Amino acid sequence: EVHLVESGGGLVKPGESLRLSCAASGFGFTPTWMTWVRQAPGKGLEWVARIKTSADGGTPDYAASVNGRFTMSRDDSRNMVSLQMNSLKADDSAVYYCSALGSVTLSSGWYIFNVYWGQGTLVTVSA
Amino acid sequence: DIQMTQSPSSLSASVGDRVTITCRSSHNINNFLNWYQQRPGKAPKLLIHATSTLQSGVPSRFSGSGSGTDFTLTISSLQPEDFGTYYCQQNYNPDTLFTFGQGTKVEIK
Repeated sequence: EVHLVESGGGLVKPGESLRLSCAASGFGFTPTWMTWVRQAPGKGLEWVARIKTSADGGTPDYAASVNGRFTMSRDDSRNMVSLQMNSLKADDSAVYYCSALGSVTLSSGWYIFNVYWGQGTLVTVSA
Repeated sequence: DIQMTQSPSSLSASVGDRVTITCRSSHNINNFLNWYQQRPGKAPKLLIHATSTLQSGVPSRFSGSGSGTDFTLTISSLQPEDFGTYYCQQNYNPDTLFTFGQGTKVEIK
């Protein structure tokens, strides 16, 4: 059974830092691209960051709203991804979901989707 | 960036009704479109990928269609457990982030 378990959320003040972690099990972690998706209270879903596999370069990509402040990393030896969040703002308050990407390759292309999700961890940025 | 726009933002329908949700992309994304369902307080769940391919275990009353910039999620006969918010997501370019629509909240009358 697949499990994605996030940890590290909490209440911080604007300008402070927080580090989220996600422990994965039940699927092949090393060949899987991983993402962080967030959802502000009462709002929709926003992709925050995505990290490719080490074989694909291990390159993280970030939403413009967090670029330069957030850093996503992965540790394939521990089946974990992390999100280091610096210079936090009130707008960063949200439930942060760790999510694994799945894919299928058809004649028409390579289709990618968020197939597994954690339960989410709440980050609140408030003075 | 590719922007995704869903309509309506919310709807209320009765059990047994046919429900249609529309998703429009700001760019041609061929059929690189996913749909998710999110129930209150829960993580999203993948329903459909590649515009029309149902994820394993998803009831056949759900279907997806479209191509290019206009896409549709249809629930042929709404059931009580179908309440929640539905999101479309484009996955056109693997080297960019995959944006979501703003969501459509489905309520049962």
